[in-house]
Amino acid sequence: SQQGEEDPQALSIQEGENATMNCSYKTSINNLQWYRQNSGRGLVHLILIRSNEREKHSGRLRVTLDTSKKSSSLLITASRAADTASYFCATTSGTYKYIFGTGTRLKVLA
Amino acid sequence: NAGVMQNPRHLVRRRGQEARLRCSPMKGHSHVYWYRQLPEEGLKFMVYLQKENIIDESGMPKERFSAEFPKEGPSILRIQQVVRGDSAAYFCASSAAAEATPTRRTGELFFGEGSRLTVL
Repeated sequence: SQQGEEDPQALSIQEGENATMNCSYKTSINNLQWYRQNSGRGLVHLILIRSNEREKHSGRLRVTLDTSKKSSSLLITASRAADTASYFCATTSGTYKYIFGTGTRLKVLA
Repeated sequence: NAGVMQNPRHLVRRRGQEARLRCSPMKGHSHVYWYRQLPEEGLKFMVYLQKENIIDESGMPKERFSAEFPKEGPSILRIQQVVRGDSAAYFCASSAAAEATPTRRTGELFFGEGSRLTVL
């Protein structure tokens, strides 16, 4: 069964706006990761946040983690057309198994 | 430094034939994962292997599907007697460590570009 559920399922914004997508999960985790997938391509790792961290930044990306609510958010600031992709969260919970969410399809309009 | 290599990128099979998908992990990686993705959906875990060992195949159908990661050579995902429902993208990922810990820098997965299987 899927561990993570992203919302919204699809998001369409104008270039320059910020994009926020959320991920909820069900069980306790060791870390949560966000990945990006361009159409027809493999997934690319964006950022990892550990269960004892609350916020992390990487360039235009900001990830938060709320373990009490079992949720995470990914914020992409000043979006660009090239950010158009699907974004997935993945969780691990002390085992090797990375469980992926259902993804948010982001479209950034130029 | 080559990434994860999957081949073939596209494979067309008729019902009842066999599909064999190959994955060469990144250099130095000994952990391999196979995932399946249907259009517009997320990735479904299939199997996790280390060199010469299947660690967890709980996501793989018990019939017709098998996976291996021999001491030498790529990991192979094999689907026998394919059916139309097997049509999907199959992604391989590798990692250097099974899990990120405070003393390890990364626990990220490195993905190949996928093998897209179409069953006619």
